[in-house]
Amino acid sequence: KAGVTQTPRYLIKTRGQQVTLSCSPISGHRSVSWYQQTPGQGLQFLFEYFSETQRNKGNFPGRFSGRQFSNSRSEMNVSTLELGDSALYLCASSPQLAGDLGQFFGPGTRLTVL
Amino acid sequence: ILNVEQSPQSLHVQEGDSTNFTCSFPSSNFYALHWYRWETAKSPEALFVMTLNGDEKKKGRISATLNTKEGYSYLYIKGSQPEDSATYLCASGGNTGKLIFGQGTTLQVKP
Repeated sequence: KAGVTQTPRYLIKTRGQQVTLSCSPISGHRSVSWYQQTPGQGLQFLFEYFSETQRNKGNFPGRFSGRQFSNSRSEMNVSTLELGDSALYLCASSPQLAGDLGQFFGPGTRLTVL
Repeated sequence: ILNVEQSPQSLHVQEGDSTNFTCSFPSSNFYALHWYRWETAKSPEALFVMTLNGDEKKKGRISATLNTKEGYSYLYIKGSQPEDSATYLCASGGNTGKLIFGQGTTLQVKP
């Protein structure tokens, strides 16, 4: 099976712009979670989508949003970018329940906000 | 403990040394504890998912134990090799896709 893919891999934006990141999960996986990693911080949970519905949400402002399509592909959007949004954004997929295999992570999108 | 905490933050060992890291997590409403290995320029990779108190899992030279009553897990690496150099993350999770990660322990194994 192909792994989790994320596009684009690198992105440079300026403050005030918006950005959309894409994640394609492993075939058959219905849960997609998004995480943010900034320097000095661990992986911070953003949100999780399952069957096109947001099932969990982390403690991030409303500028961060996401959605999931019927084929389980997910997008996350950040509006009105701030310098502090510069980070590595990882998505991870898993089957319906987390199970014994954990989550499968994509390579990430490195976002730089200037 | 309200958050997931890991210690030490970093570790430098010589090839052949055995080492261990600690992960502390909230013991109330526990469901599962995950361990991941994150090598530079790669994606985090799941090592273990542990759910039962007293559980012990092993993969090659790496093993982990779990104490859900006191809220801690240990990860052991026997005979460290340079290829073990990575950041090791633990995360507390439920039966959904939300994981709360610790800050990680970065291991550097010198040949």
